[in-house]
Amino acid sequence: GAVVSQHPSWVICKSGTSVKIECRSLDFQATTMFWYRQFPKQSLMLMATSNEGSKATYEQGVEKDKFLINHASLTLSTLTVTSAHPEDSSFYICSARDYQTASGSYHIQYFGAGTRLSVL
Amino acid sequence: AQSVTQPDIHITVSEGASLELRCNYSYGATPYLFWYVQSPGQGLQLLLKYFSGDTLVQGIKGFEAEFKRSQSSFNLRKPSVHWSDAAEYFCAVGATGGYNKLIFGAGTRLAVHP
Repeated sequence: GAVVSQHPSWVICKSGTSVKIECRSLDFQATTMFWYRQFPKQSLMLMATSNEGSKATYEQGVEKDKFLINHASLTLSTLTVTSAHPEDSSFYICSARDYQTASGSYHIQYFGAGTRLSVL
Repeated sequence: AQSVTQPDIHITVSEGASLELRCNYSYGATPYLFWYVQSPGQGLQLLLKYFSGDTLVQGIKGFEAEFKRSQSSFNLRKPSVHWSDAAEYFCAVGATGGYNKLIFGAGTRLAVHP
């Protein structure tokens, strides 16, 4: 159980185009999902917290208009990188929390396999 | 503010040897602690967690970790490492307030020699 699917796993796009990444919880419902960015050989950097039915909460320094997040249902959150540029090339990872678990387990985040974005 | 320190950036061990990865945290109360593993080009997989109770927790793949409040540590151990254990290991603490996000350490890259 607790499977998170992230799609696509790898995307190449031209500079100036937009790219959408999907994050789905397959066997549980997630009111909260998280989007991370990871640079090579570095830790995860939290970009934003995605909340079902409301606006995302962005971390300091993350451009809201560049990274659009939509959490329209209890099983799906999307991250759209708008007008992508080469500096946006990175590994993006999503995670989800099962809101129906007991209080302690609520802190567990289940991660997708990540999306490697290359902007030419 | 909560923080997590993993002092070792890179560790190399021989296959069959024992392993200990260090993790220190900064937190005011009893923390929620996690160890995740990441294989190259993949997402993170939960190895084990500590919420309360027994301070020695068992996880998947033969890993265990011990919570020591006096040392603010949550070190990960494995008695005999396999070549397939080569990966990046992240320690994390669950933050309180807000959306209870995870605070990650910088990670420890484990290499295993045959």
